[in-house]
Amino acid sequence: NAGVTQTPKFRILKIGQSMTLQCTQDMNHNYMYWYRQDPGMGLKLIYYSVGAGITDKGEVPNGYNVSRSTTEDFPLRLELAAPSQTSVYFCASSAGFEQYFGPGTRLTVT
Amino acid sequence: GEDVEQSLFLSVREGDSSVINCTYTDSSSTYLYWYKQEPGAGLQLLTYIFSNMDMKQDQRLTVLLNKKDKHLSLRIADTQTGDSAIYFCAEQSNFGNEKLTFGTGTRLTIIP
Repeated sequence: NAGVTQTPKFRILKIGQSMTLQCTQDMNHNYMYWYRQDPGMGLKLIYYSVGAGITDKGEVPNGYNVSRSTTEDFPLRLELAAPSQTSVYFCASSAGFEQYFGPGTRLTVT
Repeated sequence: GEDVEQSLFLSVREGDSSVINCTYTDSSSTYLYWYKQEPGAGLQLLTYIFSNMDMKQDQRLTVLLNKKDKHLSLRIADTQTGDSAIYFCAEQSNFGNEKLTFGTGTRLTIIP
C-alpha cells in the first residue's frame, strides 16, 4: 500500500491564481480530511468527508472547495489564492480511528 | 469550541525522560491521541488513551490522563536523538465523523 499520497510537494502561486491539491488513498478508508498547518498554530481542519459524495466544512473552510467523487480521491481546490493561504497542507484518511497522513504540500502565495 | 493547548518547545538531555504536557477543554472527549511529526513528514500516530483510562504504558512511552483537570501528558523514558520531533496532542469528542482537534505541537529537542 502506498497509503496517502499528495501532489504536488511544493508550489508557488501568484495572488489570484487557482490550483488543486491532489490527495489519494489506497486503503479504502471512508473518512478523509484536509488540514493546514501554520507555524506554532497546530493543524486546522479545512474540510472533511465521511464517504464518497459527502463533504462538510471544518474549522477554516473559507477560500477552499472540495469534492469526493470516489472513495480514493479527495482534491482540495483554491480558487483565488491569497497570501493568507501560504501554509503546509496535509491530507489524511481514516477507517474510524487512527488517521493516516500524507507527506504534505508546501504552498506559498506571493 | 474545543481547545487543546501545549507548550511550544521542550529541550531534554539524551538519556533523560521527556514529559510533554497538554490541556484540553472539551469534557466530552472520548479519545486522546499523541501524534509525532518528524521533519518534512506528515503526522504518525504514536499512542492514544481512552477517556475512561488513567494511564497507558507502551514500551518507553507512558500516557497519563487526569480527567478532572483535563490534563494529558506523554512521558518518553530514556530519550534518544531519534525522538527529536514535534509532538501533537489531539482530542476526539464527536465519534462518528472522526474529527480531531489538535494542539499547537511541542518541538522536542535532544541535547547530546
